[in-house]
Amino acid sequence: GAVVSQHPSRVICKSGTSVKIECRSLDFQATTMFWYRQFPKQSLMLMATSNEGSKATYEQGVEKDKFLINHASLTLSTLTVTSAHPEDSSFYICSASLRTQGALQPQHFGDGTRLSIL
Amino acid sequence: DAKTTQPPSMDCAEGRAANLPCNHSTISGNEYVYWYRQIHSQGPQYIIHGLKNNETNEMASLIITEDRKSSTLILPHATLRDTAVYYCIVRVAGDSSYKLIFGSGTRLLVRP
Repeated sequence: GAVVSQHPSRVICKSGTSVKIECRSLDFQATTMFWYRQFPKQSLMLMATSNEGSKATYEQGVEKDKFLINHASLTLSTLTVTSAHPEDSSFYICSASLRTQGALQPQHFGDGTRLSIL
Repeated sequence: DAKTTQPPSMDCAEGRAANLPCNHSTISGNEYVYWYRQIHSQGPQYIIHGLKNNETNEMASLIITEDRKSSTLILPHATLRDTAVYYCIVRVAGDSSYKLIFGSGTRLLVRP
């Protein structure tokens, strides 16, 4: 089945540091990747939709200058949390999907990155 | 966007069928019903999806009512590893982005 790999699985760093998270589709080409954030005991919140070769579309309330998304190839998208602060501590999850005309391909998720900012 | 309503929690005995309901009374004709689950500290896992016919795969069965206003996910023989939060999602299909909007889901506890 479709596999999405996320790296790193856990990051602990100091306030003010920028952190990059990678999301790779290992056995398929992902035309669209999604980034979610999940706080403890809450559901997943969609942050942005990323289409290969174009700018990401951010959900309302998500700062695009804070959360930089790059989707330069069909198998890799990155999320950079710039100048991270303790309130950015969260579980970040990516998903990938192959978009085809008239066919709704399920999204496949990575295992998430737990970010802790001290 | 169609909204879904699920009970916050359920439990069932190991080996028994787990029937998880979902209400989506405002679903429109071209929206699919998707089910995902999230085991603690992992990313969500795709289970099954359907439009109007019942569907079955190696993980589960999906029963959609004739009026499509509700559905039930059935895990035929629940195991302890099925303990997870189960999300019923009606897929939004705006400008081909096919976003998934997660609700609060049903926390299923499978008891030994």
